Amino acid sequence: EAQVTQNPRYLITVTGKKLTVTCSQNMNHEYMSWYRQDPGLGLRQIYYSMNVEVTDKGDVPEGYKVSRKEKRNFPLILESPSPNQTSLYFCASSPHSLAGINSPLHFGNGTRLTVT
Amino acid sequence: AQKITQTQPGMFVQEKEAVTLDCTYDTSDQSYGLFWYKQPSSGEMIFLIYQGSYDEQNATEGRYSLNFQKARKSANLVISASQLGDSAMYFCAMREGTGTYKYIFGTGTRLKVLA
Repeated sequence: EAQVTQNPRYLITVTGKKLTVTCSQNMNHEYMSWYRQDPGLGLRQIYYSMNVEVTDKGDVPEGYKVSRKEKRNFPLILESPSPNQTSLYFCASSPHSLAGINSPLHFGNGTRLTVT
Repeated sequence: AQKITQTQPGMFVQEKEAVTLDCTYDTSDQSYGLFWYKQPSSGEMIFLIYQGSYDEQNATEGRYSLNFQKARKSANLVISASQLGDSAMYFCAMREGTGTYKYIFGTGTRLKVLA
């Protein structure tokens, strides 16, 4: 089954304790991206990657890191989480090229992160 | 710069009636795609419908249709014969066809269908 697998679904942590949210897709998609969803703000892009070893900042990258060492995986790293990073996070993927412009994003099920 | 605007934070509709969710966009690209996603209370993001900037006809998918007015830069979602299961958050999104092929999203409209 074609899917984006995101783990964990729920995470409660304390300020400053490094954490990683994993994301993996099995559709051979070039494009992968991380979003955070906050009430009234919609989905805002954190980082995206157009292919292996190619990553770039989205609209709200501060406090986050990503890596794309393999095509299928795109982990999100919070080196020193703070309470303002409490949010619902989504990983998503799609084909990258112009031929894929009509391709919708395939989303993971989301990770609800609480930083206390 | 790219921008998606959804001006209706919340809407109500009576069951079996039609409802229109508004979306306007801004881009300097000639080639782009417009998408609508549904997010039920369970939280997952569900793709509903797509409209390409060069498509001359409005997209339709079952009870969903997209009222695309290119000159006005609007891409409104129309849901016909609303059902209770349509109660959800709805997001409009755009993907540009050049450069980064970046997706951006609007702030969403929460739709409540009344029995």
